[in-house]
Amino acid sequence: RKEVEQDPGPFNVPEGATVAFNCTYSNSASQSFFWYRQDCRKEPKLLMSVYSSGNEDGRFTAQLNRASQYISLLIRDSKLSDSATYLCVVNPRRAGSYQLTFGKGTKLSVIP
Amino acid sequence: EAQVTQNPRYLITVTGKKLTVTCSQNMNHEYMSWYRQDPGLGLRQIYYSMNVEVTDKGDVPEGYKVSRKEKRNFPLILESPSPNQTSLYFCASSSLGLAGGSNTGELFFGEGSRLTVL
Repeated sequence: RKEVEQDPGPFNVPEGATVAFNCTYSNSASQSFFWYRQDCRKEPKLLMSVYSSGNEDGRFTAQLNRASQYISLLIRDSKLSDSATYLCVVNPRRAGSYQLTFGKGTKLSVIP
Repeated sequence: EAQVTQNPRYLITVTGKKLTVTCSQNMNHEYMSWYRQDPGLGLRQIYYSMNVEVTDKGDVPEGYKVSRKEKRNFPLILESPSPNQTSLYFCASSSLGLAGGSNTGELFFGEGSRLTVL
């Protein structure tokens, strides 16, 4: 099993749709989890951290399931500007040793 | 403005000609890292540094060197570039929020350096 796996997509959804991405990770000792967004040919930027209890930021909801070792990102009411690649990021080691592992990304295209 | 600056942004070079990609951050971050991004392979970590004079290998360190003599700078050195090092390179930094054992996790990335080795 790869360390961090994501469905590469592409996900093509109409404006206003709800879309969800999942990401699985192999190391059960992983400590921290994040979603980054990367626009075409640009640098990745932090979208949101993922907390054990789940967290929401506007139209975006992130959840963590430690038992099944996956995290998810839900985007409600998709906008054209949400079109990007979404990267799942995991810190597979204990705090103090910071070697983040990136998934290959899931591409989202929001269509008018 | 808080930023991570990489140079050059674009470079075409030939096999074996040593080159350095500079990276500088103005946020006083302890942690800095280099990644390469290739189609179908995603972002892979080359080297990282937890602080000045402390560097460690990432997942794909072969063919690269780094140094961290000052907190703000973390250059990536290709002593003898080869065509398989053609890639998009990103430098990143983070404060980590190490006090108290927590970390914020936010990596701030440079705009990327697209390197082609012929």
